[in-house]
Amino acid sequence: EDKVVQSPLSLVVHEGDTVTLNCSYEVTNFRSLLWYKQEKKAPTFLFMLTSSGIEKKSGRLSSILDKKELSSILNITATQTGDSAIYLCAVGSNTGKLIFGQGTTLQVKP
Amino acid sequence: NAGVTQTPKFQVLKTGQSMTLQCAQDMNHNSMYWYRQDPGMGLRLIYYSASEGTTDKGEVPNGYNVSRLNKREFSLRLESAAPSQTSVYFCASSEIADTQYFGPGTRLTVL
Repeated sequence: EDKVVQSPLSLVVHEGDTVTLNCSYEVTNFRSLLWYKQEKKAPTFLFMLTSSGIEKKSGRLSSILDKKELSSILNITATQTGDSAIYLCAVGSNTGKLIFGQGTTLQVKP
Repeated sequence: NAGVTQTPKFQVLKTGQSMTLQCAQDMNHNSMYWYRQDPGMGLRLIYYSASEGTTDKGEVPNGYNVSRLNKREFSLRLESAAPSQTSVYFCASSEIADTQYFGPGTRLTVL
């Protein structure tokens, strides 16, 4: 059975800290790995990764995929209170569907 | 350009009642999806539609039906609501492989 597992499930840090969120997967016919940020409402797209070892970066957020280890990390540097959210990892396969992990809830304290 | 819209935003039902959740997208996407989100369980796929005229079951389809009315609209129906269907429901659409865009969600409570 395909599955995506995120760790930790929750995390509390202070502003200015750096955090690393993990995502591991076992998915048949892997096609892509995506990260989403969910604040109060809809998940919003952050990154899509398809190639191993190539870092994607957007401001203070960056992510990299390791296909050999079947995992990805999402790094957030110099965290701000606005980074508080649920971070979702999802894996796409050739079926066209996404399989989501449980999410990591990040709280950034002032 | 509204993206993905959903109605209603909130709904309270009694066990056994029926209702339809509406979803529309204005991005001309071919694929549309319905998910439910429960605490600690991420998003689970209920049904999806790869293109107009086709629908397929996802991970948790029992108790639900869907209709892809046209390219823009994809509705989710609960025929006889049960307390286990209390959840937040998200509709999504996509065109480029795997990048899905989500609506604001419907919070449903079944008493």
